[in-house]
Amino acid sequence: DAKTTQPPSMDCAEGRAANLPCNHSTISGNEYVYWYRQIHSQGPQYIIHGLKNNETNEMASLIITEDRKSSTLILPHATLRDTAVYYCIVRVAVANAGKSTFGDGTTLTVKP
Amino acid sequence: EPEVTQTPSHQVTQMGQEVILRCVPISNHLYFYWYRQILGQKVEFLVSFYNNEISEKSEIFDDQFSVERPDGSNFTLKIRSTKLEDSAMYFCASMGAFGNQPQHFGDGTRLSIL
Repeated sequence: DAKTTQPPSMDCAEGRAANLPCNHSTISGNEYVYWYRQIHSQGPQYIIHGLKNNETNEMASLIITEDRKSSTLILPHATLRDTAVYYCIVRVAVANAGKSTFGDGTTLTVKP
Repeated sequence: EPEVTQTPSHQVTQMGQEVILRCVPISNHLYFYWYRQILGQKVEFLVSFYNNEISEKSEIFDDQFSVERPDGSNFTLKIRSTKLEDSAMYFCASMGAFGNQPQHFGDGTRLSIL
């Protein structure tokens, strides 16, 4: 699976959009981008995923560059409860090769 | 919304004892996983399981570890003879039938070895 690079930490003001970047320059054609977050020591929570098109759900939006070498997770109106470690994971979309490789992620702190 | 449930939430065990961690994956999911996270470290893959057999395992998953799906709903991780370094959060995850689907994680079992 391709390696990802994320900034170690970011701050965001409550109510503002949080934009979390991820570089995955070695991504291959059959790899999807997945975003998870982990609050304290809870289990990783799935947020969103995509292949090449931008995606949006009730939690967030995912913007993937045309060359697929980077992506941005957008939390449109961050709240204090969004403070967490955010992980960008690239994984081959083959069911029997579903191992997720977690990096250090980005610690997002939402401030009042 | 369906979720992965894990029991117990916290397990305290003496070194050398056997421990079984239990997970109920999301029903109709076909792929099952165990991960662990030592305090302050990354989430690490242990093993994946499909069609009643191990699909992939990491170097961490040595002969002391085993997994089983004893019935249609449970998925277990057994550590035969626990060591101090097995102390960690253990997360179970499950995934649906298609490879591009996300894995869904439980909230974990905190295993403390004394």
